[in-house]
Amino acid sequence: ETGVTQTPRHLVMGMTNKKSLKCEQHLGHNAMYWYKQSAKKPLELMFVYSLEERVENNSVPSRFSPECPNSSHLFLHLHTLQPEDSALYLCASTPSRNRLNTIYFGEGSWLTVV
Amino acid sequence: GESVGLHLPTLSVQEGDNSIINCAYSNSASDYFIWYKQESGKGPQFIIDIRSNMDKRQGQRVTVLLNKTVKHLSLQIAATQPGDSAVYFCAENQGGSEKLVFGKGTKLTVNP
Repeated sequence: ETGVTQTPRHLVMGMTNKKSLKCEQHLGHNAMYWYKQSAKKPLELMFVYSLEERVENNSVPSRFSPECPNSSHLFLHLHTLQPEDSALYLCASTPSRNRLNTIYFGEGSWLTVV
Repeated sequence: GESVGLHLPTLSVQEGDNSIINCAYSNSASDYFIWYKQESGKGPQFIIDIRSNMDKRQGQRVTVLLNKTVKHLSLQIAATQPGDSAVYFCAENQGGSEKLVFGKGTKLTVNP
């Protein structure tokens, strides 16, 4: 248990579906992140939120839409995805943006787009 | 572009042996490095870090070595155990940046 909980753990969706991934942390952290982990590729940073404000969008396609309603919750809304978007999506949190050595990852949501 | 990479995608060792996992980085401005362990079905976990003003740092059964001259980082695991089986990857950070750049990972398999 890292204190970062992601749901669902597995999701299969069609290209025309709309779904959401949820992340929750009760560590009192102020920064939250979405990463994409594809087979044979390094972890890719997608979005960074600091104090509920999006501070970074790493050139992510608009079919991925993040939402951070409060400092404990982070969502990734998915719509009209492509098969190449199938991957493990990892949420993470840190006490603040510059505390890189205290990044806690969730266990990830495995997404399959069919 | 500048990136962090690993020399070997897989490593297989016998239980009790020492393991060495390597990482090459190309950004000479990077001054902070972290090793992560990712077990099957889990998210990455912090193992150990090192700043560029050091060339060696030891933890419990793990040692990280940094060679800035050749831009090389290694993780040594002593007396490798079955529970050490996982994917290990390094990440680098350039001072002043709040980003981590991750390597691809090496899969370590420990044979009993």
